[in-house]
Amino acid sequence: AQTVTQSQPEMSVQEAETVTLSCTYDTSESDYYLFWYKQPPSRQMILVIRQEAYKQQNATENRFSVNFQKAAKSFSLKISDSQLGDAAMYFCAYRSGGGYNFNKFYFGSGTKLNVKP
Amino acid sequence: DSGVTQTPKHLITATGQRVTLRCSPRSGDLSVYWYQQSLDQGLQFLIQYYNGEERAKGNILERFSAQQFPDLHSELNLSSLELGDSALYFCASSRDRANSPLHFGNGTRLTVT
Repeated sequence: AQTVTQSQPEMSVQEAETVTLSCTYDTSESDYYLFWYKQPPSRQMILVIRQEAYKQQNATENRFSVNFQKAAKSFSLKISDSQLGDAAMYFCAYRSGGGYNFNKFYFGSGTKLNVKP
Repeated sequence: DSGVTQTPKHLITATGQRVTLRCSPRSGDLSVYWYQQSLDQGLQFLIQYYNGEERAKGNILERFSAQQFPDLHSELNLSSLELGDSALYFCASSRDRANSPLHFGNGTRLTVT
């Protein structure tokens, strides 16, 4: 089965600074999709950004961008100009592109991001 | 708004009791997933349904069961409740396309006393 690893249980960043959250995954599949979710203190799960494995271009959504390194099986999230509202738990997720594991999602254990004013 | 509706938002019950959590997926989504999240913990996958059929099982206890009905709403039944079952239970739905993310409901917060 695929595994997703977030090696940083907790991180801190100063407001207006940039922070990068790490995510690695283990798979033998060539077709898959990657996602980052944000869970603020309200505990809603909010989709932040998605990346298709077949695309070389890194996805970007406003202040959020990813660094997708397919060969290294790495999918990090960069948050620029951090804001207090970015304080949350962030989860990395993997979805198979087809085959037996289609429709299955695998989540990392999460990284808690603190934003200091 | 994700389009996924979960009821109730909060549930307080006693040990040994049985409860039912309900989920309505986004319009057009055939897959429903249930997750359990204890305080300050990650997401534990419980079970997945696709168009009424069970597709995958995770770490779901025998005391827990679920089903998906013809109208695609789903229910998660938790019985013989224990203190350790206190958690946030999420329902999520997804399209049957590989690039479709999970869309989460706001969760049901279960407290077992």
